[in-house]
Amino acid sequence: LAKTTQPISMDSYEGQEVNITCSHNNIATNDYITWYQQFPSQGPRFIIQGYKTKVTNEVASLFIPADRKSSTLSLPRVSLSDTAVYYCLANNSGGYQKVTFGTGTKLQVIP
Amino acid sequence: SQTIHQWPATLVQPVGSPLSLECTVEGTSNPNLYWYRQAAGRGLQLLFYSVGIGQISSEVPQNLSASRPQDRQFILSSKKLLLSDSGFYLCAWSDGGGTSGRVGQFFGPGTRLTVL
Repeated sequence: LAKTTQPISMDSYEGQEVNITCSHNNIATNDYITWYQQFPSQGPRFIIQGYKTKVTNEVASLFIPADRKSSTLSLPRVSLSDTAVYYCLANNSGGYQKVTFGTGTKLQVIP
Repeated sequence: SQTIHQWPATLVQPVGSPLSLECTVEGTSNPNLYWYRQAAGRGLQLLFYSVGIGQISSEVPQNLSASRPQDRQFILSSKKLLLSDSGFYLCAWSDGGGTSGRVGQFFGPGTRLTVL
C-alpha cells in the first residue's frame, strides 16, 4: 500500500480557496488518488478521485502532476460547513480496495 | 441509488458482554464490504473486509469477528467485549461487480460503542 502524507491541520477564512497537498512517493502504477471528507460522528464521504492531470466535480478539484508523487485537493470558496477532516488515499480503483486511512488533515474554516 | 444502513446508532455495553452490529446495503449487488473502527481523534482502522458471501478477511488480531450471511449483510460480533473495543464502528461498501458505476468506498452512519 502506498503511504500518504498530508498536513495535520489547516486554517482558512470563509470564501478563500483551500489547497491541501498530499504526498504519495511510492504510489503504484495502478493506484488512484482518492479524497474523502469526514465530519464529526459521521462516516467519511467520497469527494473525488483521479489518476493524473486534473479532475473537477461539483465539490472540488484534484490536481495530480505527471510523476503522481503528490496531489492537491482544491476547495473553492470554503464555507464554515467545509470544516472537516480530509483524507488522502492511494488505492486501486476497482474491486476490493484495501486502503489505509491516516489521521487526515483537519481543516478549520474561520468566519 | 445505493444506501447503507447500520444499527444501532449508539450502544453502551459492560465488559465481557457480547456484541452484534449489523450493516446492510441496498441498491447494488455483490458489493465489497468493510468494517472499520475509529478511536477518538484517530484515523480509521480496517478490521475486516469481504468480497462475497461467507468470505471474510481479518486485518488485525482481536476479539472481534465478522460474518456475511447474505450478499448485502455484514455483521460484526464479539463474544466478550473489552474496554479497548470502545470506538466508532463504520461499515462501508464498494462496487464489487461494476453494477453501481460508482468509485470509492461509501460509509454508513456508524455505531458509537462504549464499553464500561
